[in-house]
Amino acid sequence: AQTVTQSQPEMSVQEAETVTLSCTYDTSESDYYLFWYKQPPSRQMILVIRQEAYKQQNATENRFSVNFQKAAKSFSLKISDSQLGDAAMYFCAYNPPWETSGSRLTFGEGTQLTVNP
Amino acid sequence: ETGVTQTPRHLVMGMTNKKSLKCEQHLGHNAMYWYKQSAKKPLELMFVYSLEERVENNSVPSRFSPECPNSSHLFLHLHTLQPEDSALYLCASSQEDSSYNEQFFGPGTRLTVL
Repeated sequence: AQTVTQSQPEMSVQEAETVTLSCTYDTSESDYYLFWYKQPPSRQMILVIRQEAYKQQNATENRFSVNFQKAAKSFSLKISDSQLGDAAMYFCAYNPPWETSGSRLTFGEGTQLTVNP
Repeated sequence: ETGVTQTPRHLVMGMTNKKSLKCEQHLGHNAMYWYKQSAKKPLELMFVYSLEERVENNSVPSRFSPECPNSSHLFLHLHTLQPEDSALYLCASSQEDSSYNEQFFGPGTRLTVL
């Protein structure tokens, strides 16, 4: 069974600075999908960024980027120029290939990010 | 705005009540999901519907009964719940056979069982 581990229950960053959230996972698949979701106090789960394991290039979405290390099964999220609105719970999630079992997200425990003004 | 809506947003019910949670997706997706999110715990997948058929039931107690009348609507019928069932219930949808098969979430229903 796949597992996703986020070893940092809480992180804090100063506004305008950079922070990295860690995520590791375990799988025997060679192709799969990884996601970072953000859940602000409103509780709405919002997709931040996604990565396909077959793509070596790290995904980037504006101030958000990932460091995907397939061999190490690591998928960290870097937030640059942190803003107050980035404060939220961040979840790392793993999705197996659709052909295997459809969309079956496995979530990590989450990292609560605080942004200090 | 993600295209997935849930009602009600908040629900308080007694242990003997019967209530239903509703989810509607406006994204044309063909799969829908129910998750339970309790404090300090990862999201737990409860049910999966693909093409309106239930394809997964992760050992969820029978006091939770899902219904998917069509590809756009998903219900979770609740009866004789326990206080430990108090949680945030999230609905999601996805398009199976799409490249990433990512899930889009609704805002959730905060359920409190007294």
